[in-house]
Amino acid sequence: DIQMTQSPSSLSASVGDRVTITCRASQGIRNDLGWYQQKPGKAPKRLIYGASSLQSGVPSRFSGSGSGTEFTLTISSLQPEDFATYYCLQHNTYPYTFGQGTKLEIK
Amino acid sequence: EVQLVESGGGLVQPGGSLRLSCAVSGFTFSDHYIDWLRQAPGKGLEWVGRSRNKANGYTTEYPASVKGRFTVSRDDSKNSLFLQMNSLKMEDTAVYYCARSVVGLGNFDSWGQGTLVTVSS
Repeated sequence: DIQMTQSPSSLSASVGDRVTITCRASQGIRNDLGWYQQKPGKAPKRLIYGASSLQSGVPSRFSGSGSGTEFTLTISSLQPEDFATYYCLQHNTYPYTFGQGTKLEIK
Repeated sequence: EVQLVESGGGLVQPGGSLRLSCAVSGFTFSDHYIDWLRQAPGKGLEWVGRSRNKANGYTTEYPASVKGRFTVSRDDSKNSLFLQMNSLKMEDTAVYYCARSVVGLGNFDSWGQGTLVTVSS
């Protein structure tokens, strides 16, 4: 199975900060990667697909980059509604696997 | 509006069975891959099965953790996807989600709200 290593596992930041979350794949996955946001008690919401394509309706402060084994999710200016847990997903090879999550908290 | 609604969760004893349903609306069900995913309490996300679309023969995929115990099926006449879970274990306790994928546009663009399955004696 492809292991997805996400870092950091938790992060404290302030409104207006620029934040970057990284995901590393144990083997190359081209750009078959998505980023998801999850708030407590809610289903995940897709933010990014194809490593860098913004999901329709998602604010442009979210961006994704990377290919192969290293990927990043960047939030350019944190807003109060962005405090949540973020997951990466590889869908290059079965079984599809997620990173362990990054919990973004208010400083 | 795209909607997926799961149902069928509940309390079941270890070794028991349960069948979950995912009713969809707002899109052409047969055109899309639909998957089941789960999240154990306080834990991360895990993919547990896929039904490909009609064009790909409704074939299925599973991870090793559930293969042979879980079966994904669908009824296009009812716009519904099912997850038959047999030989349940305590570690299958989780919120189960169904999610849609659009071929060529990544996976899991729309999710249901989830249904809780608790495996306990």
